[in-house]
Order: sequence, then C-alpha cells, then structure tokens
Amino acid sequence: GEDVEQSLFLSVREGDSSVINCTYTDSSSTYLYWYKQEPGAGLQLLTYIFSNMDMKQDQRLTVLLNKKDKHLSLRIADTQTGDSAIYFCAERGLGGTYKYIFGTGTRLKVLA
Amino acid sequence: EAGVTQFPSHSVIEKGQTVTLRCDPISGHDNLYWYRRVMGKEIKFLLHFVKESKQDESGMPNNRFLAERTGGTYSTLKVQPAELEDSGVYFCASSQVQDSTEAFFGQGTRLTVV
Repeated sequence: GEDVEQSLFLSVREGDSSVINCTYTDSSSTYLYWYKQEPGAGLQLLTYIFSNMDMKQDQRLTVLLNKKDKHLSLRIADTQTGDSAIYFCAERGLGGTYKYIFGTGTRLKVLA
Repeated sequence: EAGVTQFPSHSVIEKGQTVTLRCDPISGHDNLYWYRRVMGKEIKFLLHFVKESKQDESGMPNNRFLAERTGGTYSTLKVQPAELEDSGVYFCASSQVQDSTEAFFGQGTRLTVV
C-alpha cells in the first residue's frame, strides 16, 4: 500500500543546517513534495521534485531524491527561527485521482 | 487572485451535534479535494470532486460524513452526528486540471468535538 514516513521532531540551532527525511513506498509516484505549515496557517508548498530528478536546489532549500531507496530529504541551509514549522512530505502519482499521500509531518524547532 | 478559502477557521461542537465546513476553491478550478489531519497523524485524503461529481470518495471515514459540491463551485462537508474522533484539521485543496503539478491548499478548519 501507499505509505509515507517521517520522523516527528527535529531541533536545530539557528544558523545550522536542518535535514528532514522522508521515506515512501509507492514506486509509481511521479511528484514528491515538501509542504510547510506554520502555526495557525495552511499548507504552503515549499518545493517539489519530479521522480526522474536526483536533486533540486532553490535558494536555501535542497531536495535530494534517492529513488532506489525511496528516500526524500529536505535540507534547509542557515536555518532561521522563522523556519520553525511542521514540514510535510507528500507523494503523488499521475494515475487515479492524483491525490496526495502525506507523511505525519516533522516539527522543526529552531533554537536561537 | 483569491486563494482557497475555508470557513470557519475554528469550530468547537459537542458530541452528537452537526457541523458543516465550507470550502471555496480558486475560481475556475474544477478539481476540489478534502483532506483531514487528526492530531499528530498524517494528512489523509477524504475525497475528490471534478466539478460537481465525486471522482473518488474512498477516503471518507463513514456515513456520518457527507460532502457536496452543488453547481461545481464551493463545497461543503457535513459531519452528522459528530464524534470525538472527528476532531482534527480539515483541509481543502483545488487545482485547475487533475494532473496539475500543484494543488492549492486552504488554511484549514480546526474542528474540536467535546
């Protein structure tokens, strides 16, 4: 079945790099996403990667995809207190209803 | 352009009562999705509308949940009667076409059943 797993918590010091990891099970996933949810706010798309890519970089964000191991990671360089939020990994295929399969979310706490 | 809007942002109701959540998708988006996050767990798919038709309702938990999208514009999700385990955050998302790279999410409705 489809399943996406993430660790629940991560704590880093301001200025350090954060790495949030995710594993998924559906090998037919076409897109893999990272969403951010700040307190009291909705889901904000941070970045996504197509399944035929290994890496995508966007300013402070780097996404790495290991398709063989079905492992996705999000690296945030120079983590700031404003990066404190819940980060959700999600996969999405191009068949059926194109629904997202989300993980549990990783709560990132940035310490000043 | 307005994003996906959900009403209310918070709702606290007693067990056994009825609650109706509303989602206004981005104008022109035929595809509308409902998701739910129960405390500390993953965000789970509930159902998908294409215009006014239900394309996939495989994620609806039970028959206490009724989703409608009359006229293919806004959608409502009614819970009747509400149970304690229905508490969570209900998200709505919309996209113009099914294979869009991105579906746009609303801010969610936090439902608390006491």
